[in-house]
Amino acid sequence: SQTIHQWPATLVQPVGSPLSLECTVEGTSNPNLYWYRQAAGRGLQLLFYSVGIGQISSEVPQNLSASRPQDRQFILSSKKLLLSDSGFYLCALDRGNYGYTFGSGTRLTVV
Amino acid sequence: GENVEQHPSTLSVQEGDSAVIKCTYSDSASNYFPWYKQELGKGPQLIIDIRSNVGEKKDQRIAVTLNKTAKHFSLHITETQPEDSAVYFCAPNNAGNMLTFGGGTRLMVKP
Repeated sequence: SQTIHQWPATLVQPVGSPLSLECTVEGTSNPNLYWYRQAAGRGLQLLFYSVGIGQISSEVPQNLSASRPQDRQFILSSKKLLLSDSGFYLCALDRGNYGYTFGSGTRLTVV
Repeated sequence: GENVEQHPSTLSVQEGDSAVIKCTYSDSASNYFPWYKQELGKGPQLIIDIRSNVGEKKDQRIAVTLNKTAKHFSLHITETQPEDSAVYFCAPNNAGNMLTFGGGTRLMVKP
């Protein structure tokens, strides 16, 4: 079965510090992967998606970047965090005709 | 691209009552209609979906109905329970394309 793992679950980082969130999947090859951000009480904002190794598309200009160094690994990064980067970050795996499977999320608080 | 709207944005019901959430979309080529449930602090989970060749699908207390002519589909929850309290997202899509999520509906079931 296809599974998705995301970590860490929570993170408190000072303004100006770097960020690295990791998402890995199992049970599938060459999946489409997505990073979403969710502000408190709000909807899902698509940040990045990737259809393969080294292929990243950005949906909104921002302080974040993404990379796909391996087929089943998707990383969200920042060189210098801003207060506005706080939120709930979700990685998602596209299962084709079976919709998306989301990771458990990372609650990021920038202080 | 797909324009997706959900109504209502918040819904409060008494335990045991029914709840209905409606999703309207713009792309007449959409043929896959899922609903996701997001509990507090967790990632969204697919709870039910329907494809365009079916008008209704039921799974225990939840059901989805589709009106392709009017371009809307609805989530129905009967005999609501406190554990149904969550945010619900629709995500109509043309198979193979990225999902476009609605803005979400916060359902509160009062005991």
